[in-house]
Amino acid sequence: GNSVTQMEGPVTLSEEAFLTINCTYTATGYPSLFWYVQYPGEGLQLLLKATKADDKGSNKGFEATYRKETTSFHLEKGSVQVSDSAVYFCALSGVPAGTALIFGKGTTLSVSS
Amino acid sequence: NAGVTQTPKFQVLKTGQSMTLQCAQDMNHNSMYWYRQDPGMGLRLIYYSASEGTTDKGEVPNGYNVSRLNKREFSLRLESAAPSQTSVYFCASSPNSLSGSLADTQYFGPGTRLTVL
Repeated sequence: GNSVTQMEGPVTLSEEAFLTINCTYTATGYPSLFWYVQYPGEGLQLLLKATKADDKGSNKGFEATYRKETTSFHLEKGSVQVSDSAVYFCALSGVPAGTALIFGKGTTLSVSS
Repeated sequence: NAGVTQTPKFQVLKTGQSMTLQCAQDMNHNSMYWYRQDPGMGLRLIYYSASEGTTDKGEVPNGYNVSRLNKREFSLRLESAAPSQTSVYFCASSPNSLSGSLADTQYFGPGTRLTVL
């Protein structure tokens, strides 16, 4: 079945460091791919998404590129801030039609000043 | 525009008690979802409603029932709570066309933290 695998955390970085959170997926067909972020004590918010191969999603300095050949959707940010500390979830949907989101287990990011 | 709202925010139950978690959205979305979030498990889908009048089981439906009361509201009921149902519960909604695709972006509520003793 369809699944999402994220790198395990926690990830601990200093402010202004470069961030990569790996995400790979298994799916039949051509899913849409998402990154959601969950700040402490809150629900999930969409961070970015990509709906077809080679699309790049971007928001708030974060980027991820839909790579069909490596079945990956890695999240990157060039310079993290303390306010980026949160849990990040990779997710896929859309295959087969009528299925809901499938989430990875989440990666906790902690950024210190 | 409040988005997705959930009540209550916190709840403590004793084993065997029942309760209903309420969810409402004001974005005129067609589809609504209930997830549970447990440490190290990510989010797991309990039930979803692709459109008003329909509900379907997700990955972990046992011990739960749902009602899509109208287009705005989607409730989750625990008939006889068990300690294994201690979790954080999130409701979400998405626009999705009535043609059946569930691939649209989902919008989440703030969650209900439930403890079953």
